[in-house]
Amino acid sequence: GAGVSQSPSNKVTEKGKDVELRCDPISGHTALYWYRQSLGQGLEFLIYFQGNSAPDKSGLPSDRFSAERTGGSVSTLTIQRTQQEDSAVYLCASSTGTSGLDTQYFGPGTRLTVL
Amino acid sequence: DAKTTQPTSMDCAEGRAANLPCNHSTISGNEYVYWYRQIHSQGPQYIIHGLKNNETNEMASLIITEDRKSSTLILPHATLRDTAVYYCIVRGDGTSGSRLTFGEGTQLTVNP
Repeated sequence: GAGVSQSPSNKVTEKGKDVELRCDPISGHTALYWYRQSLGQGLEFLIYFQGNSAPDKSGLPSDRFSAERTGGSVSTLTIQRTQQEDSAVYLCASSTGTSGLDTQYFGPGTRLTVL
Repeated sequence: DAKTTQPTSMDCAEGRAANLPCNHSTISGNEYVYWYRQIHSQGPQYIIHGLKNNETNEMASLIITEDRKSSTLILPHATLRDTAVYYCIVRGDGTSGSRLTFGEGTQLTVNP
């Protein structure tokens, strides 16, 4: 079946502009995660959605970052007033949500470059 | 979640078994060992996980020591496409929720 998809695959923007990154999880998966990976670094957790529960936003680095998940499926990560340090690969993952130890399946990521 | 220690890099000849070690000496009884890999410019890919028993699937085998303080991921017949960073992650259903915490991983290079 279809895996996690993300769009765009690459995004180049100018400092100060807003960007939106999209994630389509695996159909039927109720849990959705956003991570980011800066050049040469490990993955950094950003935010976690589980069903209709309030999202865990504890990993968002600043109030310029926000995310929403409409209809329990597609999610959008928004970065306002982008800065050069926001340049990274943004990865989305989904899981069935049946337990806290579900296997997470990752999308290919969106490479964001802020000039 | 418990911290893991992995070698920074390893090499393996194509067709041979690749054995990737991981130390997790502070693992607790309800924590699982997960392995993911990340091929260059792709998202992480789930490989296998286990609690205390050895596990095998179509991709790899996972050998966990009896005291659970270390484990080894085995790719039985490595191919060039197995070149990737391999991450060993210890994960429990604790206060950190469901997030995965990736360390530095092991860069496995499979040579022809």
